[in-house]
Amino acid sequence: GQQVMQIPQYQHVQEGEDFTTYCNSSTTLSNIQWYKQRPGGHPVFLIQLVKSGEVKKQKRLTFQFGEAKKNSSLHITATQTTDVGTYFCAGNPGTYKYIFGTGTRLKVLA
Amino acid sequence: DAGVIQSPRHEVTEMGQEVTLRCKPISGHDYLFWYRQTMMRGLELLIYFNNNVPIDDSGMPEDRFSAKMPNASFSTLKIQPSEPRDSAVYFCASSASGRETQYFGPGTRLLVL
Repeated sequence: GQQVMQIPQYQHVQEGEDFTTYCNSSTTLSNIQWYKQRPGGHPVFLIQLVKSGEVKKQKRLTFQFGEAKKNSSLHITATQTTDVGTYFCAGNPGTYKYIFGTGTRLKVLA
Repeated sequence: DAGVIQSPRHEVTEMGQEVTLRCKPISGHDYLFWYRQTMMRGLELLIYFNNNVPIDDSGMPEDRFSAKMPNASFSTLKIQPSEPRDSAVYFCASSASGRETQYFGPGTRLLVL
């Protein structure tokens, strides 16, 4: 079946360091979304990417959608303790059924 | 807007009991999704509705699980009989259209003993 994998599974960084999580789909995606889930919380929408090669920025966060629309990445510059949480990508293969990635749990050490 | 509302927030029950989880989507949203989250399996889509009609229930684990959406402002997910392996966090989410932002509720933390 369709799968969306994320790496790494866990990442511990010192505050101020950069962080990147990668998302890979087994099939071509129509679009991809990114969510953040704080410990004990629920997923919260961050952004949606639709176009091949698309790059979007939100302050310290940079999101990319691969040319083949099968992979994506989220890069955080100069992490802060408020960035702690699990980051999920969610791929849409062309239906309305999003397939969530396995998630990357980020811990920021002060 | 109150966002997506789920109840109960926590549920502890014994194996074999019936469990009913409830969800009120954001007003005006046409799509409603039920997800289950566990450490082992991550976030899994169980079923989704469009305009109150179930569209894809291929994620429902087995016949013990059923979901309904009798109207645009209410949905239920029922487990009967419940088993310890059903212990998880169950999220409901809604969206204005199927490919737009999904707004998640706070989740129901279910523990089956």
